[in-house]
Amino acid sequence: DQQVKQNSPSLSVQEGRISILNCDYTNSMFDYFLWYKKYPAEGPTFLISISSIKDKNEDGRFTVFLNKSAKHLSLHIVPSQPGDSAVYFCAASGSGATNKLIFGTGTLLAVQP
Amino acid sequence: EAQVTQNPRYLITVTGKKLTVTCSQNMNHEYMSWYRQDPGLGLRQIYYSMNVEVTDKGDVPEGYKVSRKEKRNFPLILESPSPNQTSLYFCASSPNRVTFGYTFGSGTRLTVV
Repeated sequence: DQQVKQNSPSLSVQEGRISILNCDYTNSMFDYFLWYKKYPAEGPTFLISISSIKDKNEDGRFTVFLNKSAKHLSLHIVPSQPGDSAVYFCAASGSGATNKLIFGTGTLLAVQP
Repeated sequence: EAQVTQNPRYLITVTGKKLTVTCSQNMNHEYMSWYRQDPGLGLRQIYYSMNVEVTDKGDVPEGYKVSRKEKRNFPLILESPSPNQTSLYFCASSPNRVTFGYTFGSGTRLTVV
């Protein structure tokens, strides 16, 4: 059972426009959410996170929005740049003390010059 | 440089031949974990370790073993590899607070024929 879902396997956006990547989750006990970015032949790297007590967190061109009632989070990238082309994973921290992160299936973002 | 180092990067082996993928981190992190990435399934946790001599199963532990004799090392052992263990493997570490996020290694591409 996939507790964290990214329903769009891929997304194509023009350079300079906004990229919006979406993520849905099923477990209301998740208390922290993170986005990771992954380039080919590299490991995922941490991008931005948000606590369940907030609804927005911003870091430069990246903003994450959390809608707890809808169990939905999104990552906005404005403006999008060709270097943003990568696979983006959302992740949620499981309830309990295991430090476990549960990942979505990933969305491949292609930013066209 | 703070990093997680995995070796080897690429490995082709035959069914049943025992192998070990090494993982080492230089950040003095308590928590370490192994994930596998498969198309359409995202990143799934295999095993994790909260500290030295403390390990536990993740979501897909069958066919794998781990050990944590030292804080910096967390090897992944496949006693009798099978073709369904062909995958991309990532080691990750973090302090024991998930809010800091994981630091991932660069990955090991394993093919079992």
